[in-house]
Amino acid sequence: AQSVTQLDSQVPVFEEAPVELRCNYSSSVSVYLFWYVQYPNQGLQLLLKYLSGSTLVESINGFEAEFNKSQTSFHLRKPSVHISDTAEYFCAVSDTGGYQKVTFGIGTKLQVIP
Amino acid sequence: DAGITQSPRHKVTETGTPVTLRCHQTENHRYMYWYRQDPGHGLRLIHYSYGVKDTDKGEVSDGYSVSRSKTEDFLLTLESATSSQTSVYFCAIPRTDNYGYTFGSGTRLTVV
Repeated sequence: AQSVTQLDSQVPVFEEAPVELRCNYSSSVSVYLFWYVQYPNQGLQLLLKYLSGSTLVESINGFEAEFNKSQTSFHLRKPSVHISDTAEYFCAVSDTGGYQKVTFGIGTKLQVIP
Repeated sequence: DAGITQSPRHKVTETGTPVTLRCHQTENHRYMYWYRQDPGHGLRLIHYSYGVKDTDKGEVSDGYSVSRSKTEDFLLTLESATSSQTSVYFCAIPRTDNYGYTFGSGTRLTVV
């Protein structure tokens, strides 16, 4: 079984400041890792994913996450946030076999302050 | 996302009444999932299906049943709704690249 821990339930940050949303996972098998974003009153959208290879993965809107196997972490970062980044962010993990069941963290609400 | 729709989008129901939520997909995926989202709990898996008439329980399945009589439809039923089932319910299917999910827009259910 897998589990995901998101260490911060809310993160306030000023516009144009950097941000890091923390995620740690636990699993006895190889995993895929994901970050999803949920804007108010919407469903979840995939932001980025780590499957294999390069441990640094990037999204099209400037977010990046780094897979650290030794620390079992997959933290999400952005060097300069915008108001439009205000949303809830979910870290998720799945095993690598077949059609994987995905386990989600409790979410981190990112509030960007003007 | 295109390819997966949920109905209704909003529903208010009374305690003790049965409720059925529908998830419809046009991607012909074998797998479909039902999650509930609650503050402080994130998303938790209720039930999933791995084919027509093939379903299995998730971590919070008590009080819920599902049915899958056609590939495209996955129904979630609350046999006798309780206030603890007030939640936002999401249906999901595997993404086109088979890594991660595509989610429906959700159903906000309020049990009064």
